[in-house]
Amino acid sequence: SQQGEEDPQALSIQEGENATMNCSYKTSINNLQWYRQNSGRGLVHLILIRSNEREKHSGRLRVTLDTSKKSSSLLITASRAADTASYFCATVGGGGNKLTFGTGTQLKVEL
Amino acid sequence: DGGITQSPKYLFRKEGQNVTLSCEQNLNHDAMYWYRQDPGQGLRLIYYSQIVNDFQKGDIAEGYSVSREKKESFPLTVTSAQKNPTAFYLCASWQGPGGELFFGEGSRLTVL
Repeated sequence: SQQGEEDPQALSIQEGENATMNCSYKTSINNLQWYRQNSGRGLVHLILIRSNEREKHSGRLRVTLDTSKKSSSLLITASRAADTASYFCATVGGGGNKLTFGTGTQLKVEL
Repeated sequence: DGGITQSPKYLFRKEGQNVTLSCEQNLNHDAMYWYRQDPGQGLRLIYYSQIVNDFQKGDIAEGYSVSREKKESFPLTVTSAQKNPTAFYLCASWQGPGGELFFGEGSRLTVL
């Protein structure tokens, strides 16, 4: 079963705008990770946030985590055409031995 | 360079045939995973292995088999029992708790 659900399923913005995508999950987690996938390629890790953290930054990425609402958000600031990709959240559960992925958000950044 | 290598990148199979997808890693990771991705969908876990000579079923293991005879290798066999095998298959290895997954570039299987 898939743990996470991303929202929206698809997002289209203009270059320079910010993109926000959300992830909801169902069970308790050790950490939550965000990955990026270019079309037809493997996934690449972007950022990890632990269950005791509320916010984390990495370059143009900002991730928040609200464990009381079982949700996370990924903000990409000042988007570029090269940010066009699918973005997935993944959770590591209490057993700590596998990652479960959400359904993904397809982001398109137009020039 | 360290990483995950999947082969072949594209594979065509006739109905009723078994096919094996290769996954090799040189990252010295204990844990390895196979995921299936259908068009526009997320990743679903097929099998995973936390250590050599041991593996566990994921959420959609029916019609698939794996082996883990070496730390570096985790091949996936798609058997004729898999009713809808056309998909994109992704292999990954894991640093462990608190770490990230490293993915290969995927293998796209098409059943003719």
